[in-house]
Amino acid sequence: EVQLVESGGGLVQPGGSLRLSCAASGFTFSSYWMHWVRQAPGKGLVWVSRINSDGSSTSYADSVKGRFTISRDNAKNTLYLQMNSLRAEDTAVYYCARDRYYYGSGSYLADWGQGTLVTVSS
Amino acid sequence: IQLTQSPSSLSASVGDRVTITCRASQGISSYLAWYQQKPGKAPKLLIYAASTLQSGVPSRFSGSGSGTDFTLTISSLQPEDFATYYCQQLNSYPPTFGQGTKLEIK
Repeated sequence: EVQLVESGGGLVQPGGSLRLSCAASGFTFSSYWMHWVRQAPGKGLVWVSRINSDGSSTSYADSVKGRFTISRDNAKNTLYLQMNSLRAEDTAVYYCARDRYYYGSGSYLADWGQGTLVTVSS
Repeated sequence: IQLTQSPSSLSASVGDRVTITCRASQGISSYLAWYQQKPGKAPKLLIYAASTLQSGVPSRFSGSGSGTDFTLTISSLQPEDFATYYCQQLNSYPPTFGQGTKLEIK
């Protein structure tokens, strides 16, 4: 069974930093691209970042580019999101998700963690 | 690519047939997914490639469309279907979601 378990969320002051982790199990972690998606309270889903299977390629939403860094440790089956220079508008539940490629049909977020809440407030 | 869902909210009764629409700002072939999200829970993939049902998803859910216009249909609403539904495209960067459609009990 695929399991994704996020941790590391909490309350942080504006301008502060936080590192989120996503522990993966039940699949060959090193074979899959991974994503972070966030959801502000009462709002919709917003894609944040993705990383390829060996960590050599990353992409970011414009809203977090230069402040957030996605990384992974395939030996530890763990995905990370380092968040710096946090702003109030970064307050959200952060989900990690597994990118599954369906041959001939494209890539989709087939599995999600339960999310971890990040609150940026003074 | 912007995805626009309609309606933003919908009231319906158990047993009703409902349709949610997702329009893309440019053509995305059939690279569209639908997710269901219940309060306090993670999203769940329902349909990918516009019309392919994810394993384990009830057959009352169906999807159609290609290019810029897509629909999600629930043929006979069940109590557990009341949730928020999102469309998403992941194959053109940056990935984008629709704003969501909240399906409520009438």
